[in-house]
Amino acid sequence: KQEVTQIPAALSVPEGENLVLNCSFTDSAIYNLQWFRQDPGKGLTSLLLIQSSQREQTSGRLNASLDKSSGRSTLYIAASQPGDSATYLCAVTGGGNKLTFGTGTQLKVEL
Amino acid sequence: SAVISQKPSRDICQRGTSLTIQCQVDSQVTMMFWYRQQPGQSLTLIATANQGSEATYESGFVIDKFPISRPNLTFSTLTVSNMSPEDSSIYLCSVDQGSQMGQYFGPGTRLTVL
Repeated sequence: KQEVTQIPAALSVPEGENLVLNCSFTDSAIYNLQWFRQDPGKGLTSLLLIQSSQREQTSGRLNASLDKSSGRSTLYIAASQPGDSATYLCAVTGGGNKLTFGTGTQLKVEL
Repeated sequence: SAVISQKPSRDICQRGTSLTIQCQVDSQVTMMFWYRQQPGQSLTLIATANQGSEATYESGFVIDKFPISRPNLTFSTLTVSNMSPEDSSIYLCSVDQGSQMGQYFGPGTRLTVL
């Protein structure tokens, strides 16, 4: 059974700092990995998707990497802003296009 | 990407009653999914909603408790039956947009059971 873990569970940083969120998964047989953002009480916003054959994807200040063989992904956020405050979730796609979600990292960017 | 809406956005219900949640997509999609997010937890897949056939449920979820309909390629409903306070969660539907885009989610339905 696939298990996805995210470290740290919570993170508080000053505005402007670069930061890295970590995601690990136990079964490397995945089709892709997605990073999502969730604001309190809201749905999920897809940030980046990395195919299993890719190593990284970039969108604006976000960069996600994938090391499928070691079961790890990182989300790098450059020059963090208070508007980046949210919970970040990684999810891997397995058989049947089903997503298995990580435990989430709650990020707070302070002025 | 598909635009997904859910109704209701939130509800407060009494123990023992049932609530039906609707999920509408602005384009035809093959695969739709229903997830539950309990307070302070991550998302757990309830079932895959299949058009024209019964839903496929994950371990720990049963049709009698969470009946699902999928009458066409743009719409699905999830019913939470005989509710208890433990059913208080956010319920989200998602659609699969293919291998290049992944899954997209609706805004969720926040359910509180008293």
